[in-house]
Amino acid sequence: ILNVEQSPQSLHVQEGDSTNFTCSFPSSNFYALHWYRWETAKSPEALFVMTLNGDEKKKGRISATLNTKEGYSYLYIKGSQPEDSATYLCAFSHGQNFVFGPGTRLSVLP
Amino acid sequence: DAGVTQSPTHLIKTRGQHVTLRCSPISGHKSVSWYQQVLGQGPQFIFQYYEKEERGRGNFPDRFSARQFPNYSSELNVNALLLGDSALYLCASSAVQTSVVTDTQYFGPGTRLTVL
Repeated sequence: ILNVEQSPQSLHVQEGDSTNFTCSFPSSNFYALHWYRWETAKSPEALFVMTLNGDEKKKGRISATLNTKEGYSYLYIKGSQPEDSATYLCAFSHGQNFVFGPGTRLSVLP
Repeated sequence: DAGVTQSPTHLIKTRGQHVTLRCSPISGHKSVSWYQQVLGQGPQFIFQYYEKEERGRGNFPDRFSARQFPNYSSELNVNALLLGDSALYLCASSAVQTSVVTDTQYFGPGTRLTVL
């Protein structure tokens, strides 16, 4: 059974703080690593799809890195804002299956 | 453009009953995936369909089945419902411009199923 882990489970930061989360996944049979943001009462929103070792992606204040050899990805948020409050999910795809982590719940306090 | 739509929004069933959930992908998307999300956990992959064929299946019992229609919409069927089937069921579509596993998936709002 493939296991995708995310840490921390939850995080409370002050507005303006920068923060980062970790996603750990199996390093074998890697196809892609997806990051999603899921706000309460909304649909999960795709942030990044990463496929190459050493990949770095950026979208506004959010960026992500990928290390497929050691099986981890970091998601960074610079200068957190209250609207960044959400659950951040990573999903590991291998072959034709997707395995999601449990998510990191971020709360940004004004 | 309309996003991924799912129906119904909420559903209450009793144990042993059957349920059908429906999903309409974004126009032009040919792949649909189904996920089950239980509170406190990440979504669990159930099925992926591409061009009306099953391309992937998660670790779910045979009570779960799905199909994709010529217009690329999809149905998820669950027979002999158990209390543990209570969950949010999410549908996601992708355009499959490169690969079914590397393309961005766009999620619908989900169907909340409660089994009593």
